[in-house]
Amino acid sequence: AQKVTQAQTEISVVEKEDVTLDCVYETRDTTYYLFWYKQPPSGELVFLIRRNSFDEQNEISGRYSWNFQKSTSSFNFTITASQVVDSAVYFCALTLMNTGFQKLVFGTGTRLLVSP
Amino acid sequence: DAGVTQSPTHLIKTRGQQVTLRCSPKSGHDTVSWYQQALGQGPQFIFQYYEEEERQRGNFPDRFSGHQFPNYSSELNVNALLLGDSALYLCASSLGQGVYEQYFGPGTRLTVT
Repeated sequence: AQKVTQAQTEISVVEKEDVTLDCVYETRDTTYYLFWYKQPPSGELVFLIRRNSFDEQNEISGRYSWNFQKSTSSFNFTITASQVVDSAVYFCALTLMNTGFQKLVFGTGTRLLVSP
Repeated sequence: DAGVTQSPTHLIKTRGQQVTLRCSPKSGHDTVSWYQQALGQGPQFIFQYYEEEERQRGNFPDRFSGHQFPNYSSELNVNALLLGDSALYLCASSLGQGVYEQYFGPGTRLTVT
């Protein structure tokens, strides 16, 4: 069975601080995808990134960056120079490649509060 | 380009009743997945529909059923509602059966009293 753990329930930072959201996953499969989604108060999950298990290269997109380390089964997400608009719940998710369909297994989420 | 739409936005039902939630996928998408998100939790996979068939099911009882129509829209039905069914129900659409990003709708907030 697959499992995603987001140990940080809530993080509070002041605007312009950097913040890292942790994600640890468990799977016995060697081929899988990892995702990050953002859920603002409106409720709609917004896709941020997808990485496959073959590609451990870190990725940067503007103020967002992701660190994927298979050795520690972690896929951490860093927001640089946080802004108030970054306040939301962030979910890490996992799916297997070889099932023929896509079932996302989500963590419990980390609520990020960015104050001015 | 319309995204994923869901209706209704909010719903209040009484224990024992039945409810139907609706979802229209993003234009061009043919696969619909349903998730239940309890308060303070991550979404839990209910089932996925592709080519009008249920392709896979999560750990949910038979009270949860669904349907996909030829235009790819989908319904989620829940019978004999329990208080524990109160949650945000999210619909996600994607293209085909590969691993592509799923686009989520705004959800339907169901409250069972």
